[in-house]
Amino acid sequence: DQQVKQNSPSLSVQEGRISILNCDYTNSMFDYFLWYKKYPAEGPTFLISISSIKDKNEDGRFTVFLNKSAKHLSLHIVPSQPGDSAVYFCAASAEGGATNKLIFGTGTLLAVQP
Amino acid sequence: DTAVSQTPKYLVTQMGNDKSIKCEQNLGHDTMYWYKQDSKKFLKIMFSYNNKELIINETVPNRFSPKSPDKAHLNLHINSLELGDSAVYFCASSQGLSTLHEQYFGPGTRLTVT
Repeated sequence: DQQVKQNSPSLSVQEGRISILNCDYTNSMFDYFLWYKKYPAEGPTFLISISSIKDKNEDGRFTVFLNKSAKHLSLHIVPSQPGDSAVYFCAASAEGGATNKLIFGTGTLLAVQP
Repeated sequence: DTAVSQTPKYLVTQMGNDKSIKCEQNLGHDTMYWYKQDSKKFLKIMFSYNNKELIINETVPNRFSPKSPDKAHLNLHINSLELGDSAVYFCASSQGLSTLHEQYFGPGTRLTVT
């Protein structure tokens, strides 16, 4: 049962343009959402998060949007840079984060072309 | 200085063998985790420990036994290895149990069972 889905396995964008990565979830109990970024041969690193009480969180070039009614979140990167090329994982948790149990999607490989 | 380190980075072994993967964090964190990323790229939590106490055990076969000798270490011992155990195993740590505490991942251990 895949509770967090990233339906696009890969995405290619031009440098300077906007990258939009999407994530859908099925569990209405999820109340905290995160994006992690992973380079080859490295572990995932935290990028940005959002609580279910918000619909937007911004950090520099990265913005995460949450649409609770659609059970959908997206990560916008603008402008995209070649160094952003990596796999992006969406993750979610429930129970107010009491157990810090994260449910991950399968990732989207972003390629930013110079 | 590596925040979360794992050894070995690669492990190739035969079915039926017993092997261990070691994890150490130098961040002073209280909580540590083991994740498994299978061939379909699902990144799933296996275990979490808080102050050496088991918190999460995600229906992992009892051939997998985590051991936390102290807060800075969480080792994973696997008995009677099977082909399906082939995966990348990631260790992670966080300041505490809350999801609000960012998880820091190690570089992963690629286990191949032949």
